[in-house]
Amino acid sequence: DIQMTQSPSSLSASVGDRVTITCRASQGISNYLAWYQQKAGKVPKLLIYSTSILQSGVPSRFSGSGSGTDFTLTISSLQPEDFATYYCQKYNNAPLTFGGGTKVEMK
Amino acid sequence: QVQLVESGGDLVKPGGSLRLSCIVSGFAFSDHSMTWVRQAPGKGLEWLSYISSSSVYTDYADSVKGRFIVSRDNAKKSLYLEMNSLKPEDTAVYYCANLGSGGWYLQHWGQGTQVTVSS
Repeated sequence: DIQMTQSPSSLSASVGDRVTITCRASQGISNYLAWYQQKAGKVPKLLIYSTSILQSGVPSRFSGSGSGTDFTLTISSLQPEDFATYYCQKYNNAPLTFGGGTKVEMK
Repeated sequence: QVQLVESGGDLVKPGGSLRLSCIVSGFAFSDHSMTWVRQAPGKGLEWLSYISSSSVYTDYADSVKGRFIVSRDNAKKSLYLEMNSLKPEDTAVYYCANLGSGGWYLQHWGQGTQVTVSS
């Protein structure tokens, strides 16, 4: 099975910072990569699918890029509501594996 | 608006069984594949199972294969997860979600239901 590795597992940042999270697949998955945001105690929410397509309603400060095995989620200017844990997920086939998560904390 | 509402979570003893339900509204349930995901306390997300729109195809994570069974009733707009031979490590919040029309990303999620396996 394909493994999904996120880095870093956590990071500290300030409002206004540019934040980049990396997700690496152990084998190529084309562009079948999604990103989710989960705030503390809340339900995960879809941010991005097909590597770079923003789900309806997601602010444009979020962007995704990559292909094959290496992918990134970028928040161009971190806002107070963006402090959360972010997960990548591959969906080219089953199992629909998630990355381990990246917790974005306030510096 | 889109709603997915899970139910059926409970405290159950090791070796016991439980059936989770997920009732949906606000989208064409019969057009979407569905999935179950869980999250153990303080841990990340773990995909569990998949069922195609017409129930022809199902798939499971190795951790639950042979113990869990996913099913659906399109007429009732409902998704189910039959969980057998439960273990303490199955303790988690269980979420249902619909898969996107263009791919198997989890488009909308339910609020989750808590399953606790303990003696």
